[in-house]
Amino acid sequence: DTGVSQNPRHKITKRGQNVTFRCDPISEHNRLYWYRQTLGQGPEFLTYFQNEAQLEKSRLLSDRFSAERPKGSFSTLEIQRTEQGDSAMYLCASSSLRGSDTQYFGPGTRLTVL
Amino acid sequence: AQSVTQLGSHVSVSEGALVLLRCNYSSSVPPYLFWYVQYPNQGLQLLLKYTSAATLVKGINGFEAEFKKSETSFHLTKPSAHMSDAAEYFCAVRVNAGGTSYGKLTFGQGTILTVHP
Repeated sequence: DTGVSQNPRHKITKRGQNVTFRCDPISEHNRLYWYRQTLGQGPEFLTYFQNEAQLEKSRLLSDRFSAERPKGSFSTLEIQRTEQGDSAMYLCASSSLRGSDTQYFGPGTRLTVL
Repeated sequence: AQSVTQLGSHVSVSEGALVLLRCNYSSSVPPYLFWYVQYPNQGLQLLLKYTSAATLVKGINGFEAEFKKSETSFHLTKPSAHMSDAAEYFCAVRVNAGGTSYGKLTFGQGTILTVHP
């Protein structure tokens, strides 16, 4: 059990560029969540996958955001045409029913949009 | 909809003193409750969780929390603070949506704990 990993850890981009983040969940965890955390706030739910199916998306997830989990393992979160308001920490978590569905978080990807 | 309120965005204690971080929740159905800790530039680490079993829950690093339904509270305590406890602490509630078996977390705004020598 190597824990949830996220790459990159930091990303600096210019406004208008596209960025993609990757999350590798704990092996055999079939549930995967994305959250966004801005400075001084608690994390806010963005989206949820069970295996490869995206079952819920928050209203926070605008049309510029897309998430995938093609084979039910790793997941990617893409932001198109980034805006300064997208600057935040993007956190990934995974869980399994066997573990009472407790969510375990990765270290996060910190995005800075200039 | 569920919500979480953490009273006090900053708490400061002396090393060896009692730590008390307050959390109140709102939920129309029995909740699952969690405390996570976050060190600078890191993700969240689970401290402890309440999942409708014992109301007094013990976690890692000497922390514990008590679920009080009548007060809708889930305060986090530690008898004696250590310098390494300095971090930000988040209370979260999870309510399994009706008909589904998963639950997204709703977090409080966090409490920054400072420990003085």
